[in-house]
Amino acid sequence: DGGITQSPKYLFRKEGQNVTLSCEQNLNHDAMYWYRQDPGQGLRLIYYSQIVNDFQKGDIAEGYSVSREKKESFPLTVTSAQKNPTAFYLCASSTRLAELYEQYFGPGTRLTVT
Amino acid sequence: GQSLEQPSEVTAVEGAIVQINCTYQTSGFYGLSWYQQHDGGAPTFLSYNALDGLEETGRFSSFLSRSDSYGYLLLQELQMKDSASYFCAVRDPGNTGFQKLVFGTGTRLLVSP
Repeated sequence: DGGITQSPKYLFRKEGQNVTLSCEQNLNHDAMYWYRQDPGQGLRLIYYSQIVNDFQKGDIAEGYSVSREKKESFPLTVTSAQKNPTAFYLCASSTRLAELYEQYFGPGTRLTVT
Repeated sequence: GQSLEQPSEVTAVEGAIVQINCTYQTSGFYGLSWYQQHDGGAPTFLSYNALDGLEETGRFSSFLSRSDSYGYLLLQELQMKDSASYFCAVRDPGNTGFQKLVFGTGTRLLVSP
């Protein structure tokens, strides 16, 4: 079955530590996205990538970094510079950037930083 | 800037029909998407409207009026499993030419027996 996997489902870290969230897709999609969701709110775009070795900042990129070395993989690093990292993180993909209106989402990673 | 408004919560009973409205204000507009998200789960794509009118997909329909900057999601023959949050999202070209999805804050639908 094709889809997007994110691991782990729950992640706990101490303040001051960097943490990397995994996102893998086998849909052969070109475009991939990272969103952050806080309780009772919509999704906010952190980073996006339309092709391998290319990525761009979204609306709330400060304190985050990404890489896109393979088409299938788009890991997100939450750095210690992110002031409020506790949130639900969702990875998504679309066939290409022009079809971003139809995105496929992974199950998400719930990050708690204390 | 961009803003989307949706009711925070809607309640209905099984078998009923419910309409979830979405009004938007964006610098540009290409289309309106709808997503469903169950508690703790991933959003799933429901529909997309680029042109005015009604799009029907099974029990769900979505409507768009670009002149009114308004759309809605219509759910018919409600089932308990339809209890979830529903997000509208606008395809916005932004100022840099990069199109992105801007999501509303979501409408929580509670279906009771």
